[in-house]
Amino acid sequence: DSGVTQTPKHLITATGQRVTLRCSPRSGDLSVYWYQQSLDQGLQFLIHYYNGEERAKGNILERFSAQQFPDLHSELNLSSLELGDSALYFCASSARGAQRETQYFGPGTRLLVL
Amino acid sequence: AQSVTQPDIHITVSEGASLELRCNYSYGATPYLFWYVQSPGQGLQLLLKYFSGDTLVQGIKGFEAEFKRSQSSFNLRKPSVHWSDAAEYFCAVAFGGATNKLIFGTGTLLAVQP
Repeated sequence: DSGVTQTPKHLITATGQRVTLRCSPRSGDLSVYWYQQSLDQGLQFLIHYYNGEERAKGNILERFSAQQFPDLHSELNLSSLELGDSALYFCASSARGAQRETQYFGPGTRLLVL
Repeated sequence: AQSVTQPDIHITVSEGASLELRCNYSYGATPYLFWYVQSPGQGLQLLLKYFSGDTLVQGIKGFEAEFKRSQSSFNLRKPSVHWSDAAEYFCAVAFGGATNKLIFGTGTLLAVQP
C-alpha cells in the first residue's frame, strides 16, 4: 500500500459525458502528478500540482483539467469524453516535487467510455 | 529529447532462471532512474531507484539494477525468478527541472513458466 488513494476504482460512462477522478496523496506530500496509461500511448504524464498550484503540463488534452485543493487532494476532470479516453488513470505523489524524490502511485482509476 | 527505451516487449523465463530486463535512456543531464512493477489489475510499485553513488542498486523482492553511464543503460536483474514475479516492468527517468515528471518506457511483460 503506497498511501495514495484514488476513487473510484472503475468508471463506465458514455461518450460526451464528464467525469471526475479523485486522488488523495500520501500524508505530508505536497506534490500530485496525474498519468494516463493506454494501450496505444503507454504511460504518459498529464499534469503536476504542487501545494495547490499547477507546476507543469504534459500531454493533457484541453478537454481535461485538474486542480489541487487546500487539503492537498486533487481532482482530474475529463469532459466531452471520447472512446479514446478509455484508459487507466494514475495519480502519484511526492514530498515536494523536486529531483531525487520518489513518486508513489495510487491503484488507478480504470475509465471505460462506451 | 528525453526518452526511455525498453527493447523487449515480452519475455518468458522459467521459474528459478535468472532475469535481465533492458532499459536505455536518452537524457542530457544526470539521470534519476527508476524501475516500477505493475501486477495485473494493480498500480505501480517501486522496485528500486538510482540517484547517485554506487551504480549497483538493490531493491525489493530480490531485484537489483546497474547504472552504466557509458551505455546509457539501467538494466534490471534478478538471479532466480519466482512465479509471483510475472508482471509488467517499467523503467522511468525523472525529468527534473521545474517538474519532476517521469518519462516511462513502454514496459516489458514478464511471463514465468513453471
